[in-house]
Amino acid sequence: QSALTQPPSASGSPGQSVTISCTGTSSDVGGYNYVSWYQQHPGKAPKLMIYEVSKRPSGVPDRFSGSKSGNTASLTVSGLQAEDEADYYCSSYAGSNSYVFGTGTKVTVL
Amino acid sequence: EVQLVESGGGLVQPGRSLRLSCAASGFTFDDYAMHWVRQAPGKGLEWVSGISWNSGSIGYADSVKGRFTISRDNAKNSLYLQMNSLRAEDTALYYCAKELTFGGVIVEAFDIWGQGTMVTVSS
Repeated sequence: QSALTQPPSASGSPGQSVTISCTGTSSDVGGYNYVSWYQQHPGKAPKLMIYEVSKRPSGVPDRFSGSKSGNTASLTVSGLQAEDEADYYCSSYAGSNSYVFGTGTKVTVL
Repeated sequence: EVQLVESGGGLVQPGRSLRLSCAASGFTFDDYAMHWVRQAPGKGLEWVSGISWNSGSIGYADSVKGRFTISRDNAKNSLYLQMNSLRAEDTALYYCAKELTFGGVIVEAFDIWGQGTMVTVSS
């Protein structure tokens, strides 16, 4: 149950796009289409942004998109806005009723 | 309003026990699996444990296996986490989270989160 690997930080100017990677193994990210992404603002609870690799819950802007290739999943935020500045975490089902989160990425809007 | 409210956190000495509770409202509690996720101060999220709607399926992170026990009382719309043999590294904000389901199909994601209850393990 090792944490999924994410870059510590990412940044972009308003209106630009930023992509965050999430690398696991064939036992988690690569083995299941159950990758989800969470946004967390300081002092707040996480918020689900993407589930099942690329699906958006109701209310999440379509600026947020997800994908997966092999053992690596990605979250892209297009048309960056000031309110997108937050920490982002990926998560994957890892089999045997277990889950694993990523190390987290701090997104800065320049 | 769909809501999860955690309680039971506090300061506890190493080796002692603590029981966390999570009160659910605004949805049919016994239709959903539930989870505990923790976040150490300034650190990332860590999945701790999960339990199916009928308690028939339970999972734990390796870091807590054998020390923590998850349970639920559907009649009381409540989720629990019994934490024994606490260690300094268990110090964290503990979140209760609801598993996302569509038409009874689990999608292995957490769509509703509480605000968390803080557990500090220190002598």
